[in-house]
Amino acid sequence: AQKVTQAQTEISVVEKEDVTLDCVYETRDTTYYLFWYKQPPSGELVFLIRRNSFDEQNEISGRYSWNFQKSTSSFNFTITASQVVDSAVYFCALSGPNTGNQFYFGTGTSLTVIP
Amino acid sequence: NAGVTQTPKFRILKIGQSMTLQCTQDMNHNYMYWYRQDPGMGLKLIYYSVGAGITDKGEVPNGYNVSRSTTEDFPLRLELAAPSQTSVYFCASSYSTGAGNTIYFGEGSWLTVV
Repeated sequence: AQKVTQAQTEISVVEKEDVTLDCVYETRDTTYYLFWYKQPPSGELVFLIRRNSFDEQNEISGRYSWNFQKSTSSFNFTITASQVVDSAVYFCALSGPNTGNQFYFGTGTSLTVIP
Repeated sequence: NAGVTQTPKFRILKIGQSMTLQCTQDMNHNYMYWYRQDPGMGLKLIYYSVGAGITDKGEVPNGYNVSRSTTEDFPLRLELAAPSQTSVYFCASSYSTGAGNTIYFGEGSWLTVV
């Protein structure tokens, strides 16, 4: 079965603090893809990153970094030096051959950055 | 760049009314999707289409219908609106080269059934 768990429902941090959003997934596929999306208060869903199961290298993009660990089935997302504009709901998602091109989304983590 | 465009953005329906949410994409994507988002529940797939003339049910299809007459358009129809269909609806699209393709979303449609 495909499943994505984001155990953190809500997180609040003070501006400039670092924050890590957790994502744990379950899949029987040996090849699969993981994604992070951001949903700001305006409501649209913005694609942030895609990672395939063969690439466990961590990635850094500006203040964002992602830590993919197959051994623990986790794909965590860290924001360094958080800013108020980072306040949003963040979704982790999974897709794989057994689901065709369908995505399984976690329930999201609502991040509030306090000025 | 337009990307995925859906209309209307907001709508209030009375119980039993019908309506269609329009969705169009200009990225020549073969795959299109409709999701609904309920508070604290993430996104659930309603229907999807792998190409013109082909549609298939997702996780929560009851109460909805779709059609895909062209590559660009994928309207979602609610025939007899019910309060349980109060939600935010997202249309999305992606390329058809298998799992791993990034999904791009429209801006969402807020629907309230009263």
